[in-house]
Amino acid sequence: AQTVTQSQPEMSVQEAETVTLSCTYDTSESDYYLFWYKQPPSRQMILVIRQEAYKQQNATENRFSVNFQKAAKSFSLKISDSQLGDAAMYFCAQGGGSNYKLTFGKGTLLTVNP
Amino acid sequence: GAVVSQHPSWVICKSGTSVKIECRSLDFQATTMFWYRQFPKQSLMLMATSNEGSKATYEQGVEKDKFLINHASLTLSTLTVTSAHPEDSSFYICSARGTRWDYEQFFGPGTRLTVL
Repeated sequence: AQTVTQSQPEMSVQEAETVTLSCTYDTSESDYYLFWYKQPPSRQMILVIRQEAYKQQNATENRFSVNFQKAAKSFSLKISDSQLGDAAMYFCAQGGGSNYKLTFGKGTLLTVNP
Repeated sequence: GAVVSQHPSWVICKSGTSVKIECRSLDFQATTMFWYRQFPKQSLMLMATSNEGSKATYEQGVEKDKFLINHASLTLSTLTVTSAHPEDSSFYICSARGTRWDYEQFFGPGTRLTVL
């Protein structure tokens, strides 16, 4: 069974500062993918960043980057130069296996203070 | 990016009636669609997975006779909540996956269902 754990129910950051959201996972799959999704108050799920497990290089998307530690099964998200629009619920998700399902963590609510 | 629409965005119905929610992939063919339920301040709970032209696979604990899923084409899946009751009130989200992507799912904007 796959599990995804987000140990921080809530986080806050000052505008323009950097924040890191934690995520650990467990899977028996050798080939899998990891994602961070953002859900703002509108509740539209938005993909922030994705990481293929076979790639050693950490994914980056503008101000968003991940620290992927495969041996430790850790997949943290770093948000640099935080903006007010980054305030949202962030979900870590893992996908693997032939059914293409995603397993989601419980989420981290990020508040950005002006 | 790939776009998924969902209709209606919100619906209010009386207890005992049925409600249909549509999920469409607008610019790609969705080989697999997923239906989730989300309670306030909680994560997404997968209800079922559907592949075009075949029966949906329901997660444990989800009543397949209450939540009817049809994936009749590569761009449309529907979720029908039959004989709805107040406890079915929730936020329902669909997502779709195309063959160009591995596990990435594209999400619809969700449907808020309120059963009176």
